[in-house]
Amino acid sequence: EVQLVESGGGLVQPGGSLRLSCAASDFAFNIYTMNWVRQAPGKGLEWVSHISSSSYTIHYADSVKGRFTISRDNAKNSLYLQMDRLRVEDTAVYYCARGNHNGPSLFDYWGQGTLVTVSS
Amino acid sequence: QSVLTQPPSASGTPGQRVTISCSGSNSNIASNIVNWFQHVPGTAPKLLIHSNDQRPSGVSDRFSGSKSGTSASLAISGLQSEDEADYYCATWDGSLTAWVFGGGTKLSVL
Repeated sequence: EVQLVESGGGLVQPGGSLRLSCAASDFAFNIYTMNWVRQAPGKGLEWVSHISSSSYTIHYADSVKGRFTISRDNAKNSLYLQMDRLRVEDTAVYYCARGNHNGPSLFDYWGQGTLVTVSS
Repeated sequence: QSVLTQPPSASGTPGQRVTISCSGSNSNIASNIVNWFQHVPGTAPKLLIHSNDQRPSGVSDRFSGSKSGTSASLAISGLQSEDEADYYCATWDGSLTAWVFGGGTKLSVL
């Protein structure tokens, strides 16, 4: 069974940094695109970032562009999100979601999420 | 304000058929596939429909999707209490070069 397990969330002050990880298992991670999606308290789902299988193509939501960096290590079956210059409005549950190996992302598998709280 | 517009709420009684709409534009829904998700707060979102009208293995055939022009719809037939959840549409927006989600529709089974 495909598994995605996020980690690295926690409490951080505004302006601080945090690095999220997503450990993938039971599928060929190296051929799939991957995404990060978040949900702020009381809000809807918001796509954050996408990375292609080879890391060649990367996209970010305008709300995080210039502050967040997505990356992956195919040898370790892991996806990452480096979050810098964090703002209070970045407080959310962050999910990693599988994209696709051939075509547009399907978001067919999701992790359980990791909570990031930005507060002083 | 979401790029994709969904009604904030919908409701129905057990056994009824409910439809949730998702309105977009030429740069998103009209040009790209639409996916639909079911999300029960505190759990991982679940893919219900991909590629406009395709059901993943294991998803009940009570769920169906359609797309026409700049709009898409999710239909749920034979409504059950377990269908109470938030429902989201999502698609790629070529102008924004970003995936966009609808604002979500909270479904209540009365």
